[in-house]
Amino acid sequence: DTGVSQDPRHKITKRGQNVTFRCDPISEHNRLYWYRQTLGQGPEFLTYFQNEAQLEKSRLLSDRFSAERPKGSFSTLEIQRTEQGDSAMYLCASSLSRGESGRVTDTQYFGPGTRLTVL
Amino acid sequence: AQSVTQLGSHVSVSEGALVLLRCNYSSSVPPYLFWYVQYPNQGLQLLLKYTTGATLVKGINGFEAEFKKSETSFHLTKPSAHMSDAAEYFCAVSEGGFQKLVFGTGTRLLVSP
Repeated sequence: DTGVSQDPRHKITKRGQNVTFRCDPISEHNRLYWYRQTLGQGPEFLTYFQNEAQLEKSRLLSDRFSAERPKGSFSTLEIQRTEQGDSAMYLCASSLSRGESGRVTDTQYFGPGTRLTVL
Repeated sequence: AQSVTQLGSHVSVSEGALVLLRCNYSSSVPPYLFWYVQYPNQGLQLLLKYTTGATLVKGINGFEAEFKKSETSFHLTKPSAHMSDAAEYFCAVSEGGFQKLVFGTGTRLLVSP
């Protein structure tokens, strides 16, 4: 396993701009989760995918937020018309509900995160 | 709804002293419980987890935690602190495997020489 990777690691943008983050999960992991962590707080769940299907979305995920996982591998999280309140660390995690080998890993493995600063 | 309370936003210990980080949870179903550690500007690393079975769970780096249903607690301990243990620690709960994690607000562990 090469680990969960996220790109970019840091993003500074001006209020009103759109931003997109990418997450590459551990290969074979079919579940992918997005969390948001603000300063001094624990991560908060945003949404998760089983393969390409988005199964749950938090009420935190306003209409300005959209997440996709088009081929069941990497995922993108887009924020439109960013606001200063969107400044946070965006974390991605992945797990394996069942692989072809029958292997199961329900532990969520986290990436390093993307730190967003909205000026 | 599930929730986690971590008592103490900061805990300070001397190197070699006992580490005790407190976590209480609320869950309407048998919980899965986790402790994660986060170093500055990094993601979260799993220390240990409780799903079912033995209530004393051993994790990496000498940490362990005990699930006490009657007290709804899952406190994290380490017999002897090391300088490298200084980090932010998060307790989390879920309603079973593959479900979203609900995190506490975290406890920053400070270790002094």
